[in-house]
Amino acid sequence: GAVVSQHPSWVICKSGTSVKIECRSLDFQATTMFWYRQFPKQSLMLMATSNEGSKATYEQGVEKDKFLINHASLTLSTLTVTSAHPEDSSFYICSATEGSGSNEQFFGPGTRLTVL
Amino acid sequence: DAKTTQPTSMDCAEGRAANLPCNHSTISGNEYVYWYRQIHSQGPQYIIHGLKNNETNEMASLIITEDRKSSTLILPHATLRDTAVYYCIVRVTNSGYALNFGKGTSLLVTP
Repeated sequence: GAVVSQHPSWVICKSGTSVKIECRSLDFQATTMFWYRQFPKQSLMLMATSNEGSKATYEQGVEKDKFLINHASLTLSTLTVTSAHPEDSSFYICSATEGSGSNEQFFGPGTRLTVL
Repeated sequence: DAKTTQPTSMDCAEGRAANLPCNHSTISGNEYVYWYRQIHSQGPQYIIHGLKNNETNEMASLIITEDRKSSTLILPHATLRDTAVYYCIVRVTNSGYALNFGKGTSLLVTP
């Protein structure tokens, strides 16, 4: 099956700093990528939908100026958490679809962010 | 996407079949039933999906009732590595939209 990678797998940062998370589709071109966030003992919550070459669409309650999403190529999307605070500590997961008709989603392994 | 209802948690002995139920009474005719699972601290993994016929693959079997208002995911011989949260999701395939994860069923496989 199609493979999606994320980097880093975990990151610890100080409050006030910015963190960039990469999501890559390794063996297919992803026209659409999704970013989810998962807090402990909770389900995945969609943050934003990213289409290659256009601005991301954010879910209600997600600050677009705080969570910057760039989808500059068909194999890479990045999520930057700006001025991170401890409440941003979470598990961030991306998924990607080929857009070739099936639109099946393939998930990355997730990135654990801890803000001190 | 239609709403789904799953039990919060289930236990299963290793080597036995794990039967995970899902209710989706408001499912519409063009919506499929998808199952994903998430092992702790990993991304979700696709298991199986179906429309109205029963489906089987190397991971599991999916039994959908004739009225399509409920389904059961069957792991025929559960192993400890099957311990995970299992999500039943109803959606129109090819929709291109994000998956709506509910709370899922936390399955614990015990030795």
